[in-house]
Amino acid sequence: SQKIEQNSEALNIQEGKTATLTCNYTNYSPAYLQWYRQDPGRGPVFLLLIRENEKEKRKERLKVTFDTTLKQSLFHITASQPADSATYLCARNSGNTPLVFGKGTRLSVIA
Amino acid sequence: DTGVSQDPRHKITKRGQNVTFRCDPISEHNRLYWYRQTLGQGPEFLTYFQNEAQLEKSRLLSDRFSAERPKGSFSTLEIQRTEQGDSAMYLCASTRDRGNDEQFFGPGTRLTVL
Repeated sequence: SQKIEQNSEALNIQEGKTATLTCNYTNYSPAYLQWYRQDPGRGPVFLLLIRENEKEKRKERLKVTFDTTLKQSLFHITASQPADSATYLCARNSGNTPLVFGKGTRLSVIA
Repeated sequence: DTGVSQDPRHKITKRGQNVTFRCDPISEHNRLYWYRQTLGQGPEFLTYFQNEAQLEKSRLLSDRFSAERPKGSFSTLEIQRTEQGDSAMYLCASTRDRGNDEQFFGPGTRLTVL
């Protein structure tokens, strides 16, 4: 079965540093990986989508990479701010399959 | 607000009771998804609709769960004979026709079964 693993349950970093979150997948390569942000008590909010034929995608201070050899996606937040503190979810799908989410990584940016 | 809305936001019920949740997707979105999320976990897929057709159901969706989207607009999720293990956040999301598009999530319905 398809699996998504986000190895770190929690990550603490200092304000201004770059946060790097990891997402690993098993079995066949997903066509797409999506990253979402979720604040406590709220639904996830879409951040970025990367296709398997793309190596990197950027949006403002966010960057996502996709390495099909390592079966891994990295999510970076540069110049992190306390407002970036949230849970970040990685999700995979292929074609019309439903999204399969990881457990998420809870990021805390300390001022 | 033109986002996805869910009602109610919170529901407390006693074991054995039936509950029904409603989701109103973004109006031009044809696909509607239901997920369940428990503490410390990511959302788990339950079922989805393309317009009024229910196209896929997860094995998580036991016989006590039923979902409808009668006119291809809003959807309801009903849980019959609730159990304590049903306590979770129930999330609804919508998207356009393509399954790989970003999904827009509602705020969720928090269910507590006593």
